[in-house]
Amino acid sequence: GQQVMQIPQYQHVQEGEDFTTYCNSSTTLSNIQWYKQRPGGHPVFLIQLVKSGEVKKQKRLTFQFGEAKKNSSLHITATQTTDVGTYFCADNYGQNFVFGPGTRLSVLP
Amino acid sequence: EAQVTQNPRYLITVTGKKLTVTCSQNMNHEYMSWYRQDPGLGLRQIYYSMNVEVTDKGDVPEGYKVSRKEKRNFPLILESPSPNQTSLYFCASSSAGWTEAFFGQGTRLTVV
Repeated sequence: GQQVMQIPQYQHVQEGEDFTTYCNSSTTLSNIQWYKQRPGGHPVFLIQLVKSGEVKKQKRLTFQFGEAKKNSSLHITATQTTDVGTYFCADNYGQNFVFGPGTRLSVLP
Repeated sequence: EAQVTQNPRYLITVTGKKLTVTCSQNMNHEYMSWYRQDPGLGLRQIYYSMNVEVTDKGDVPEGYKVSRKEKRNFPLILESPSPNQTSLYFCASSSAGWTEAFFGQGTRLTVV
């Protein structure tokens, strides 16, 4: 079946450093959604990318969709302790969702 | 307030004792699904439903049952729970098409 991969699995950064997580698929993605799950919480929707090469920004977060629609990335500039959590990408192909395994981000103050 | 409600939030049970985890959404969403989350494995889909009376298996359906008799409810049934079903379970819903998924608060299940 369809698989969505994410790297890295874990990332520890010092507060103020940048962070990037990558989402990849061997097949073309319909569209990409990103979710954040705080420790002890549930996944919460962040953003959706639909078009090839699309770039969207939310304050310190930058989301990109690859030109071939086979990869995506989430970049956080100058991390803060509030960024702690697990970030998931998901392929939403209209009928269903396929989630990546997530990247767990730790931010050291 | 738009929400997905799961109950119970925490459950400890014994092997073989049938249990049901309820999930209800108030957004009139067509799509609902169940996931289990285990350390290092992310969100694995158990079952999903595209609408009333339409359900299909996800990646890890063994040992689980679901039903979708009403649009708002999508219960997860464990007929004979086993310790390997100890996990954190999430219910999610979304409207048809390319829209975001709304997740419930999660149910932490322990089977001893």
